[in-house]
Amino acid sequence: KQEVTQIPAALSVPEGENLVLNCSFTDSAIYNLQWFRQDPGKGLTSLLLIQSSQREQTSGRLNASLDKSSGRSTLYIAASQPGDSATYLCAVLAGSGSEKLVFGKGTKLTVNP
Amino acid sequence: NAGVTQTPKFRVLKTGQSMTLLCAQDMNHEYMYWYRQDPGMGLRLIHYSVGEGTTAKGEVPDGYNVSRLKKQNFLLGLESAAPSQTSVYFCASSYFSLKQFFGPGTRLTVL
Repeated sequence: KQEVTQIPAALSVPEGENLVLNCSFTDSAIYNLQWFRQDPGKGLTSLLLIQSSQREQTSGRLNASLDKSSGRSTLYIAASQPGDSATYLCAVLAGSGSEKLVFGKGTKLTVNP
Repeated sequence: NAGVTQTPKFRVLKTGQSMTLLCAQDMNHEYMYWYRQDPGMGLRLIHYSVGEGTTAKGEVPDGYNVSRLKKQNFLLGLESAAPSQTSVYFCASSYFSLKQFFGPGTRLTVL
């Protein structure tokens, strides 16, 4: 059974700091991995999707990497801002045809002004 | 584009009552999903659909039924609500196995 773990559960940093959020998964046979952002009381917003054949994806100040063999992904946020404060969720899709996205429990990020 | 919308936003039920949650998407996505989110448990897949007229069970399907009569709509039904079904319910859609787009959620309380 696929399990996704995110460490740390919570992170507080000063504005301007570069930071890394970690995600690990137990079964390396994944189709893709997604990073989401969730603001309090809101739905999820997809940030980045990495296909299993890819090593990384970038969008603005965000960079996500994937190492399937070690079962790890990282989300790098450059020059953090208070508006980045949210919960970040990692999720893996086992395979096309097995449409069960398995989520980690998230890292709650607070960026202090 | 409205994206993914959910109706209602909030609902309070008594044990044993029934209700239907409606999800609609205007992105012509093939795949649609229903999740529930609970503190300490994270997001869990209830049911999903890979096309009009099809449905499949997710991780926690018991106590729920779904229907996908139209491509743009995905309905989640609770036939006899239980307090254990108190949760926040999210609908999502995707173009096949690509990025999932989520609705704003329905907060359901069962007394």
